Amino acid sequence: TQLLEQSPQFLSIQEGENLTVYCNSSSVFSSLQWYRQEPGEGPVLLVTVVTGGEVKKLKRLTFQFGDARKDSSLHITAAQPGDTGLYLCAVTQGGSEKLVFGKGTKLTVNP
Amino acid sequence: DAGVIQSPRHEVTEMGQEVTLRCKPISGHNSLFWYRQTMMRGLELLIYFNNNVPIDDSGMPEDRFSAKMPNASFSTLKIQPSEPRDSAVYFCASSLVRQTPPNTDTQYFGPGTRLTVL
Repeated sequence: TQLLEQSPQFLSIQEGENLTVYCNSSSVFSSLQWYRQEPGEGPVLLVTVVTGGEVKKLKRLTFQFGDARKDSSLHITAAQPGDTGLYLCAVTQGGSEKLVFGKGTKLTVNP
Repeated sequence: DAGVIQSPRHEVTEMGQEVTLRCKPISGHNSLFWYRQTMMRGLELLIYFNNNVPIDDSGMPEDRFSAKMPNASFSTLKIQPSEPRDSAVYFCASSLVRQTPPNTDTQYFGPGTRLTVL
């Protein structure tokens, strides 16, 4: 059983559309991170959310941490081809530096 | 500043051969992580070091895998003997851990080594 379930697994949309991807768990976390990975590269950190209910914005990307700190969402407004990539959520376990990743949502934005 | 450097970027080898992957972390970082990424299992942590000391190797699949960090500037991941099921992209990441909760330190990933075992 995966600690983090991400949905949808794949998403293909047209430029200009809005979208939301999800990261869910039955466990409570002290923090949660979102990464984006482009083809042929390593993941790059987008944001860290810490407080239940917290909302963070990064240009057209809006990240929300659930009130119970068990889940998170990423909303992209007016998607662009440059947003194409694999979006991964990750959490630490047991207060260590060990990151556990979800399997990700592969987003394709078509021009 | 240079990011995390990994070599080689691509490696093709035959089953049974020894494979060594190399990583140079970002200067000043005190933690180093080795991950493996496959379509089936996603991105999984294999082992991580703090101040050159292995802290958690519970993700290392079996005795064929070993990792070393002889100094703060260099780490290796060795597979001996390699098997086709080891084919994957292997990432190295580093971070500066400040030991303050909650753990929100940023891990910086290298570009990865794509390993193919025939």
